[in-house]
Amino acid sequence: KAGVTQTPRYLIKTRGQQVTLSCSPISGHRSVSWYQQTPGQGLQFLFEYFSETQRNKGNFPGRFSGRQFSNSRSEMNVSTLELGDSALYLCASSLGQGTLTDTQYFGPGTRLTVL
Amino acid sequence: AQTVTQSQPEMSVQEAETVTLSCTYDTSESDYYLFWYKQPPSRQMILVIRQEAYKQQNATENRFSVNFQKAAKSFSLKISDSQLGDAAMYFCLHAGGTSYGKLTFGQGTILTVHP
Repeated sequence: KAGVTQTPRYLIKTRGQQVTLSCSPISGHRSVSWYQQTPGQGLQFLFEYFSETQRNKGNFPGRFSGRQFSNSRSEMNVSTLELGDSALYLCASSLGQGTLTDTQYFGPGTRLTVL
Repeated sequence: AQTVTQSQPEMSVQEAETVTLSCTYDTSESDYYLFWYKQPPSRQMILVIRQEAYKQQNATENRFSVNFQKAAKSFSLKISDSQLGDAAMYFCLHAGGTSYGKLTFGQGTILTVHP
């Protein structure tokens, strides 16, 4: 079974731009969650989607948004990029139903650099 | 909100020896899950072990075991017979509950395995 895939793997943007990251979960997984990893703040939970609905949300500003499609693929959008948004963005899928308590299967991440 | 503390930023161990990584957490929830994930250099994060808080028995997965002390809010990971492939960043994770920010990572512990 193919693992979680994320595209693109690397991205360079400038301040003020917006960006969309994509995540394809493991086949059969219906929950997708997103995380931000930075050297300073570590790993932080952004949000989780199940059945096209956001079920859980971390403590991030509204510039960070996401959505999930009927095939469980998910996208994350960051608007008005700031330098501090430079990070590795990880996506994970699970068999869970939006409770965050199931094993997460992580993708390789998208490395976003904001100049 | 939950907090998770990994007090050891770095640990090292000789191959074939045993090492214990510490994790403490603070939560007001009674029902939650705890995880250890490893993130090898330039590789995807993967689950090491999972513990359900309502279970008294410590989880074990081959060479990996936990010492779960619910009253003390402690969840340490023991790696026996350490192997070079165990070298990674290890994250302790608390998931579940009803409070804001239901999924919380520790800061991570970098484990080095010496041959």
